[in-house]
Amino acid sequence: GQQVMQIPQYQHVQEGEDFTTYCNSSTTLSNIQWYKQRPGGHPVFLIQLVKSGEVKKQKRLTFQFGEAKKNSSLHITATQTTDVGTYFCAKTVSGYSTLTFGKGTMLLVSP
Amino acid sequence: AAGVIQSPRHLIKEKRETATLKCYPIPRHDTVYWYQQGPGQDPQFLISFYEKMQSDKGSIPDRFSAQQFSDYHSELNMSSLELGDSALYFCASNQRGRLYSYEQYFGPGTRLTVT
Repeated sequence: GQQVMQIPQYQHVQEGEDFTTYCNSSTTLSNIQWYKQRPGGHPVFLIQLVKSGEVKKQKRLTFQFGEAKKNSSLHITATQTTDVGTYFCAKTVSGYSTLTFGKGTMLLVSP
Repeated sequence: AAGVIQSPRHLIKEKRETATLKCYPIPRHDTVYWYQQGPGQDPQFLISFYEKMQSDKGSIPDRFSAQQFSDYHSELNMSSLELGDSALYFCASNQRGRLYSYEQYFGPGTRLTVT
């Protein structure tokens, strides 16, 4: 399936700064998931967005799904060194199909 | 809470050898997925199984095969290994039938190095 486009590829911030990664698709998505992979680790599920215009928050993380269900974003407020890792968005074509990942955004946070 | 178990965690093989990777899904999870992740790359789907039957097939080479057993564990068999097969191999699992809940739970991965 066609991959979702994710930007930026890499971002280096100072601790306390905000961070945003964006995911874009040329086709309407049934849902979008976000995963975090720490260096040397495995992808860990963060959130799933299903509804048009949906906004979900997890502490300092805010996830949005666009009105047209073609884009999504993950925003981290006041980054901490524990936020370091690669953030992937991923789409599924149907509920039980495989994940097609974006290329990921690698986040580096300097203390 | 129980997690996905993969073995071995590290494997070193020579070109043209064979390798078998094992995956034990979370209890009561009936679907298993295999992904390959090269250095600095995103995970690429290889193959999946639901209730011991192949469910979806991705970019899995013909040299690779997989199956899911009656206890739901899965094995990925890789033959005629090539240098390009060196990667992290992740197994993930989830449970079909959980309405609107499609997240996958990944294991720690097997790092395969082909020399």
